[in-house]
Amino acid sequence: AQSVTQLDSHVSVSEGTPVLLRCNYSSSYSPSLFWYVQHPNKGLQLLLKYTSAATLVKGINGFEAEFKKSETSFHLTKPSAHMSDAAEYFCVVSPRDNYGQNFVFGPGTRLSVLP
Amino acid sequence: NAGVTQTPKFQVLKTGQSMTLQCAQDMNHEYMSWYRQDPGMGLRLIHYSVGAGITDQGEVPNGYNVSRSTTEDFPLRLLSAAPSQTSVYFCASSESTVGNTIYFGEGSWLTVV
Repeated sequence: AQSVTQLDSHVSVSEGTPVLLRCNYSSSYSPSLFWYVQHPNKGLQLLLKYTSAATLVKGINGFEAEFKKSETSFHLTKPSAHMSDAAEYFCVVSPRDNYGQNFVFGPGTRLSVLP
Repeated sequence: NAGVTQTPKFQVLKTGQSMTLQCAQDMNHEYMSWYRQDPGMGLRLIHYSVGAGITDQGEVPNGYNVSRSTTEDFPLRLLSAAPSQTSVYFCASSESTVGNTIYFGEGSWLTVV
């Protein structure tokens, strides 16, 4: 079985300050992990993904995430927030070695960026 | 470069009406799925398909039907719309669920009155 926990439903930061969005997962199989972003009234866009190579993954728009197996975490970070980063962020897990299991989505974290 | 295309983008239905949300992908993906998104609940899987002719239920299948006659198309049918089906619906596709990126359509905003 798989599950995803996003520890904060809402994070608020000031423009130019660091962003940390937390994600913990549970998976019976070796996981692939993803972060997606959803801007208001839009679809979901892939930010980055981890599939077994380097544990530090770099994505679009300056975001990165680190896979920590011992902590079962995949936190998303960005050194300096921009107003355009205000959106909903979803952490997603899927099995890397068990075809047929589905993607599991976290409940989402809404990021607000204050001027 | 269409990716996943879903229509309509907005729809208002009366209780008891039926309708079909269309979804098509041009990436030759085997895996397709439908999600609904409700405030505070993230995305919940309605139905999915791992290939033409194969469909299965997800987490919240009641009130919805799907079929997969071709690799490209995966329509979602609301049989008798209820206000509880007011939601945003997303179609998605992937080569498979094993480590592959999932691609989403732009969403369909459905209101049942």
